[in-house]
Amino acid sequence: SQQGEEDPQALSIQEGENATMNCSYKTSINNLQWYRQNSGRGLVHLILIRSNEREKHSGRLRVTLDTSKKSSSLLITASRAADTASYFCATINSGGSNYKLTFGKGTLLTVNP
Amino acid sequence: DTEVTQTPKHLVMGMTNKKSLKCEQHMGHRAMYWYKQKAKKPPELMFVYSYEKLSINESVPSRFSPECPNSSLLNLHLHALQPEDSALYLCASSQGWTVGNTIYFGEGSWLTVV
Repeated sequence: SQQGEEDPQALSIQEGENATMNCSYKTSINNLQWYRQNSGRGLVHLILIRSNEREKHSGRLRVTLDTSKKSSSLLITASRAADTASYFCATINSGGSNYKLTFGKGTLLTVNP
Repeated sequence: DTEVTQTPKHLVMGMTNKKSLKCEQHMGHRAMYWYKQKAKKPPELMFVYSYEKLSINESVPSRFSPECPNSSLLNLHLHALQPEDSALYLCASSQGWTVGNTIYFGEGSWLTVV
């Protein structure tokens, strides 16, 4: 079953604008990761945020995590056409010994030049 | 070098064929994974190998048979597949099979079953 649910499912913006994608999950997690996937390609790891962290930055990416609301957001600032891709959040549940990375349904981001 | 290499990139096979997908990493990672991804869907975990031993099989049909010959290689043997098995098969690896490890993915192998 899918753990994360991204919102929106699709997002279209103009180059230079900021893009915000949200992810909600259902059970307690140890960490949450964001991945990017260009059409028909493999997944590229973007950022990992641990459950005891609230915010993390990497270049033009900003990720927040609110464990009380079981939600995370990915902000891409000053977007570029090359940012066009699907973005997935993925979680690893806390507890137990089966560390399975479970993906949400993804947000398809289109950045128009 | 964070690279997971998968071959072939594209594979077309008949329902009676036997073929294999191959995955290689030279990052010294001790955990390797197979994921399956259908069009417009998220990846779904199939198998996890940790230290060359199968740790998770997500109730995958026996027509998919994984093999980990050594710590750098992971194969997925395919036999008697169905058209609905057509998908992108992604291999991944991580330092270890523990919480907090970044998982690195290959570019995938596109499989079409005819």
